[in-house]
Amino acid sequence: DTQMTQSPSTLSASVGDSVSITCRASQNIHSWLAWYQQKPGKAPKLLIYKASILESGVPSRFSGSGSGTEFTLTISSLQPDDFATYFCQQYNTYSWTFGQGTKVEFK
Amino acid sequence: EMQLVESGGGLTQPGRSLRLSCTGSGFTFGAFAIYWVRQTPGKGLEWVGVIRSNANGGTTEYGASVMGRSSLSRDDSKNTAFLQVNSLRTEDTAVYYCVARRLSGSKLEGSWGQGTLVTVSS
Repeated sequence: DTQMTQSPSTLSASVGDSVSITCRASQNIHSWLAWYQQKPGKAPKLLIYKASILESGVPSRFSGSGSGTEFTLTISSLQPDDFATYFCQQYNTYSWTFGQGTKVEFK
Repeated sequence: EMQLVESGGGLTQPGRSLRLSCTGSGFTFGAFAIYWVRQTPGKGLEWVGVIRSNANGGTTEYGASVMGRSSLSRDDSKNTAFLQVNSLRTEDTAVYYCVARRLSGSKLEGSWGQGTLVTVSS
């Protein structure tokens, strides 16, 4: 299985900050990577797929980059609604694997 | 609007079986693979299995944690997919999500259900 290592596990930030989350794959997954946002009691919400393509309806302050084994999710100018947990997920194979999650909390 | 609704969760005892359902609406259910993912506070998000669309053979794959004691099926006439897990263990306690997915070129299409909680406890 492809292991996904996400960092940091927690990120403290303020409204207006720019923040980045990193995800590393244990093997080459090309660009088959998605990023999700999850709030308590809710299902994960797709933000970005194929490493950098913004899902329809997702604000442009979210962006993704990377390919191969290293990927980054950037949120420019954090908004109050963005305080949540973020996950990366590889779909290079049918046996999806997920990062451990990054909780973005108020500083 | 694409929607998926899981049902069948609840409290059950170790060793018993559980059958979860996933019903879709607002899209061509049969054109999508249906994945199952579960989530626990301790282990995070874990892939459970997938049943491909019938156009792609309708074949199934299972994650290591449920292999040999689970079964995936689908009834596209009812826009519904099923996950049966036998010989339940306490570590099967989780929120179970179904996810409809297909790749159209580079575009990732699909949706997640809202999840159903399964609690395995004596």
